[in-house]
Amino acid sequence: DTEVTQTPKHLVMGMTNKKSLKCEQHMGHRAMYWYKQKAKKPPELMFVYSYEKLSINESVPSRFSPECPNSSLLNLHLHALQPEDSALYLCASSSSRATDTQYFGPGTRLTVL
Amino acid sequence: SQQGEEDPQALSIQEGENATMNCSYKTSINNLQWYRQNSGRGLVHLILIRSNEREKHSGRLRVTLDTSKKSSSLLITASRAADTASYFCATDEKGSSNTGKLIFGQGTTLQVKP
Repeated sequence: DTEVTQTPKHLVMGMTNKKSLKCEQHMGHRAMYWYKQKAKKPPELMFVYSYEKLSINESVPSRFSPECPNSSLLNLHLHALQPEDSALYLCASSSSRATDTQYFGPGTRLTVL
Repeated sequence: SQQGEEDPQALSIQEGENATMNCSYKTSINNLQWYRQNSGRGLVHLILIRSNEREKHSGRLRVTLDTSKKSSSLLITASRAADTASYFCATDEKGSSNTGKLIFGQGTTLQVKP
């Protein structure tokens, strides 16, 4: 199974809402990633978890809060977002290092009103 | 700073023609990867070429790497309408394989007309 799943596919939220994005993989990968992608731009790395520990935070605002409950799951908690946070949020995993092949989920299309 | 720059930004060809995309990068690397993204979807890994390799093939894909020029090219032969997508190169930085950071180029948007 080489699939990374993400839920929900689409999310519309107001600036005062709290919501969460979920990502799951069952490939036994030990590295998981959150990326943000704006239209016609490349993915921008947000967070990296390695062996369930946060190893990289690319200076992401605190209104984005990642969580890795176990080696298969990755969450991104959202609170008090801004309209400019509207984007495609991609989750990915790799066996252990970023330089390995990364497997991407289909993404969550987030709209902040 | 941007690690990967790609050209052209957009490419439009007829079905059956070949498509070539180029990627340049700034620092020494461990490997370089190419990914495809269909509109609004996740990225799909196409091919990985290591810094000590010069050329690699996978089906209709041919990737070259010139570390002296810090550049790579992706050739898609006998293109099909289904190849219509955005293509990104992605690099790490040599010596940083354990830091978890992969940097994507700006991407090339390929349109293959039937």
